[in-house]
Amino acid sequence: QKEVEQNSGPLSVPEGAIASLNCTYSDQGSQSFFWYRQYSGKSPELIMFIYSNGDKEDGRFTAQLNKASQYVSLLIRDSQPSDSATYLCAVKEGQGGSEKLVFGKGTKLTVNP
Amino acid sequence: DGGITQSPKYLFRKEGQNVTLSCEQNLNHDAMYWYRQDPGQGLRLIYYSQIVNDFQKGDIAEGYSVSREKKESFPLTVTSAQKNPTAFYLCASSIGFSPFTNEQFFGPGTRLTVL
Repeated sequence: QKEVEQNSGPLSVPEGAIASLNCTYSDQGSQSFFWYRQYSGKSPELIMFIYSNGDKEDGRFTAQLNKASQYVSLLIRDSQPSDSATYLCAVKEGQGGSEKLVFGKGTKLTVNP
Repeated sequence: DGGITQSPKYLFRKEGQNVTLSCEQNLNHDAMYWYRQDPGQGLRLIYYSQIVNDFQKGDIAEGYSVSREKKESFPLTVTSAQKNPTAFYLCASSIGFSPFTNEQFFGPGTRLTVL
């Protein structure tokens, strides 16, 4: 079983600050990485995916991937109280007819007004 | 309105009973997945199906069963053999095989409680 590690937090940042969420993975062959947001009591919703080294930006969110270090991160700029949630990192495993995602346990983020 | 639906939202089961959780999608996705989430934990894969009439065990398949007779439906049965079934159950779907992406989209979940 491939492993995906996240700091469980909680991570607390003031409103307007940059929140930085980190994830490491064990499988050097992993190609695709996903960030999901999960509000308490709700199902996860996809924020971003990344598969190339470097940065990928979408609005206030930036995903960063470093395959050599087996590290993927999510930056949230201008954090808002509505960003308070648990953020799940997921890594795609397998090929062809057996593709699946392996999830980390999530980092709980609290944005304080 | 495309999406993934799960029913019921809340389910209560007596010990020794089998229960079936419904998952339907109208996204024309080939692949479907069942996860279990316990408080403070990540998602653990129970079963997944990449194509109709075929499915594979995930990491915690014991005590569960599935079927995939139709592309849009992937019901999960929690049997009496599952020793600790109280959890939040999430169904997801994706387009299927893809070299890079294959992102999964989730239904709203079913919260199962054993009385």
